[in-house]
Amino acid sequence: DAKTTQPNSMESNEEEPVHLPCNHSTISGTDYIHWYRQLPSQGPEYVIHGLTSNVNNRMASLAIAEDRKSSTLILHRATLRDAAVYYCILRSYNTDKLIFGTGTRLQVFP
Amino acid sequence: DTAVSQTPKYLVTQMGNDKSIKCEQNLGHDTMYWYKQDSKKFLKIMFSYNNKELIINETVPNRFSPKSPDKAHLNLHINSLELGDSAVYFCASSQGSSGAWEQYFGPGTRLTVT
Repeated sequence: DAKTTQPNSMESNEEEPVHLPCNHSTISGTDYIHWYRQLPSQGPEYVIHGLTSNVNNRMASLAIAEDRKSSTLILHRATLRDAAVYYCILRSYNTDKLIFGTGTRLQVFP
Repeated sequence: DTAVSQTPKYLVTQMGNDKSIKCEQNLGHDTMYWYKQDSKKFLKIMFSYNNKELIINETVPNRFSPKSPDKAHLNLHINSLELGDSAVYFCASSQGSSGAWEQYFGPGTRLTVT
């Protein structure tokens, strides 16, 4: 299973943009890049996923490097509700396994 | 409307007992999962079912037996509970069973074995 590397923690102030990095140098051509987050005392929540092109949705944007060896989850304006653990996960097209790492704990300050 | 629901939310029981956790999804998805999150917050997949057929069994002790009566339900039965089974168990579902699909998680069931 391809591995991802994320910083253990990051901090942000409210209403500022947040860029959460993820390295996945061993990614294969058939791996999708998924991001999930887990708010305190809740189940993981899907944020966004992509394959090669950058993706936008109502929650966030995903910027994928041209060589696909890294990606960045962008929260355009952090709110206190965005404080969570963010997981970057590689998932092959032919598997339904999500393999969670330790993720990045994002703190948002008012 | 709750997309993925689990019951009970909390479960406290003694070692050696048998217990079940129920999961239901109203999203019309064909794939359902069970995950375990231990005390160190490490989240790991246990099982996945696609159209009521077992797809993934991640070397989970055979005391754990998932049962899928239909596509909308995936229950988890645990026999002879042990202290190490204490964890939060999450159910999830997705439309398809490949990496192209996102998974939707339930709120979790906190199991405490004493």
